[in-house]
Amino acid sequence: AQSVTQLDSQVPVFEEAPVELRCNYSSSVSVYLFWYVQYPNQGLQLLLKYLSGSTLVKGINGFEAEFNKSQTSFHLRKPSVHISDTAEYFCAAVKTSYDKVIFGPGTSLSVIP
Amino acid sequence: NAGVTQTPKFQVLKTGQSMTLQCAQDMNHEYMSWYRQDPGMGLRLIHYSVGAGITDQGEVPNGYNVSRSTTEDFPLRLLSAAPSQTSVYFCASSSGGLVTEAFFGQGTRLTVV
Repeated sequence: AQSVTQLDSQVPVFEEAPVELRCNYSSSVSVYLFWYVQYPNQGLQLLLKYLSGSTLVKGINGFEAEFNKSQTSFHLRKPSVHISDTAEYFCAAVKTSYDKVIFGPGTSLSVIP
Repeated sequence: NAGVTQTPKFQVLKTGQSMTLQCAQDMNHEYMSWYRQDPGMGLRLIHYSVGAGITDQGEVPNGYNVSRSTTEDFPLRLLSAAPSQTSVYFCASSSGGLVTEAFFGQGTRLTVV
C-alpha cells in the first residue's frame, strides 16, 4: 500500500537558521507529491507540488523541495526560517493513476526566537 | 472570497446522536472531499466526490455518509456518533481532481462524549 512517512514529528529550530523537513513515500509507480502547511487553528494550504519536470520545486514563503526518485524522497527546505513559519507541515502523495491522496503524519516546526 | 466554508466550528455530541457537518464552496470546484485529522496520523480521507451526484469512499468511511446534490455543497453525516469519531474534520475542494491545489476549510472540532 502506498504510504507517506515524515521521519520527524517535531523540529525545533532557531530563527534565521536553515531547516529541512523530511518526507519519504513508498510506491512502485510514479506519484505526484505535495507539501501543505497548517497554521494554528486553520485549514491546510498548499506550499508547493511536484508533478513532473525539474526535480527542484519552489513554493511560497521561500520554501523549496527536491524530488529524489531513487531515494523516494521529497524533502522540504528553507534557508532561513522566521517566527511566522511555526506551523504543522504535511507531505502528501497521489499515484498517477488518480488514486486517493495520502497524507503523512505531519511535522511540527517550532521556530525559536 | 469565501472559499470553503465549514459549519459549525465546534460541536459536542453525546454517543448515539446524529449530526451533519456542513461544507460549501463558492469556487465552482468539481472535486470535494472530507478528511479527519487525528494526532500523529495526519489527514485521512473519509469520502470524496468528483461531481454532483457522484460520491465514493475513502480510507475511513465507516460511520459516515455523504451526498452531493449540488456542486457547491458536500455535507458529512454522522449516523450514530461514537467517541472514536472525536476528531477535527476538514472539507476540501479542488478544480481538477487530486493533482490540483486543494483548498481547505477551517475545520470542525467534534467531541463525542
